[in-house]
Amino acid sequence: EIVLTQSPATLSLSPGERATLSCRASQSVSSYLAWYQQKPGQAPRLLIYDASNRADGIPARFSGSGSGTDFTLTISSLEPEDFAVYYCQQRSNWITFGQGTRLEIK
Amino acid sequence: QVQLQESGPGLVKPSETLSLTCTVSGGSVSSGSYYWSWIRQPPGKGLEWIGYIYYSGSTNYNPSLKSRVTISVDTSKNQFSLKLSSVTAADTAVYYCARDLFADYWGQGTLVTVSS
Repeated sequence: EIVLTQSPATLSLSPGERATLSCRASQSVSSYLAWYQQKPGQAPRLLIYDASNRADGIPARFSGSGSGTDFTLTISSLEPEDFAVYYCQQRSNWITFGQGTRLEIK
Repeated sequence: QVQLQESGPGLVKPSETLSLTCTVSGGSVSSGSYYWSWIRQPPGKGLEWIGYIYYSGSTNYNPSLKSRVTISVDTSKNQFSLKLSSVTAADTAVYYCARDLFADYWGQGTLVTVSS
C-alpha cells in the first residue's frame, strides 16, 4: 500500500498569506495525485488532479506541483473561505489518502 | 449537473450487513468514461476508499475490506450499491458515493452507525 504523508498537520496563516501544503508518497505515484478541500459537514471537493490540473470551477489561486513522490498544493493568497482540511490522494497503486492538513486562521 | 445521492439505513446492528444505494442524476452510470466509487470517513477521522465499479460490472475493492465488500450496479435504475458484511463499531462512518477515481462529484454523505 502506498502511504501518503502530509505536512504540516496544522498550518496557521492569515487571509492574504500564501499557503504551501506538502504530500509525500512512500513510493512513486507518477502524476496520479489529487488534492481535495473539505469543510465541516461537507463532502470533499476536488481541487487538483493529475498533480497540477485544476478541476472545473476551481479558482486560479490554487495550484499543484510535483511528480514521483513529492507534491505541493499552493494557495497563492488565502481567502476566508479557504480555511478547511486538505487531503491528497493517489490512484497509482490502489487508492489511498493522506491524513490531511488543517489550514486554520491565525 | 451531475448529482449523487446516498440512501439506506442509518443504524445497523453488529455482525449484520450494511447496505447503501447511490442514485445518480444528470449523468449515466452506463457512461464508459467513469468509474463509480464508495468512500467512507469515520467521525473526526480521515478518508478511506472502499471500492469502485465500472458500468460493465467490473469491480476493485480495498484489500483491507475485500472479504466483506460487494459493489454492484443497476444501469436500469442509474444506481450503484454497496454491501458491507459482518459490520462492527469500527465501520461507523459517513459513507459517500462519488464519481471516478479522482472524485469530481460526491454525494452529500450518509452517516451509518453500527450499534445494538
